[in-house]
Amino acid sequence: EIVLTQSPATLSLSPGERATLSCRASQSVSSDIAWYQQKPGQAPRFLIYDASKRATGIPARFSGSGSGTDFTLTISSLEPEDFAVYYCQQRTNWPPLTFGGGTKVEVK
Amino acid sequence: EVSLVESGGDLVKAGGSLRLSCAASGFTFSNVWMNWVRQAPGKGLEWVGRIKTKFDGGTTDYAAPVKGRFTVSRDDSEKTLYLTMNSLKTEDTGLYYCATDFARGYFGDWGRGTLVTVSS
Repeated sequence: EIVLTQSPATLSLSPGERATLSCRASQSVSSDIAWYQQKPGQAPRFLIYDASKRATGIPARFSGSGSGTDFTLTISSLEPEDFAVYYCQQRTNWPPLTFGGGTKVEVK
Repeated sequence: EVSLVESGGDLVKAGGSLRLSCAASGFTFSNVWMNWVRQAPGKGLEWVGRIKTKFDGGTTDYAAPVKGRFTVSRDDSEKTLYLTMNSLKTEDTGLYYCATDFARGYFGDWGRGTLVTVSS
């Protein structure tokens, strides 16, 4: 089973700042990584797939990068609605599909 | 617009059974692989199981913690996904989401979830 480790666990930033979230895989997953956003009391929202492709309707301030074992989700300038928990997920070697433990982006 | 509405969550004793449903609309349900994903209270996301389309064989896959106890099924005529859960354990407590497959392994659209609570 591929383990995804996200860091940091919590990121404290102010609106307008740049957020950089990391996801590391226990073995290579090529570019088979997605990112999701989850706000309290809501279902997850599909943001990024294949490491760097934005899902439909996702603003351009969200970008993804990486390949192999190291991946990054960047939010170029945080909007108030971006404060949430973000999860990475791999589809390379499944079952099982696996998620990272999440990074919470909170208001500083 | 895609809509996924889960139902059937309840409070059940350990060892009991439950069947969850997910009513789909806004897309051609029979053409889409479907998943169940769960989230324990205050915890992260965990994939539970997946069913392919009948065209792709209708086969299922499961996460290790639920294999042999949970069954994913679908009724394409009713546009409904099911999760039958047997031999429930307290660690099965959580919010259960159904989600559409995207590109053979990602989760495109999600329902709002249905809560399963397993008591000892």
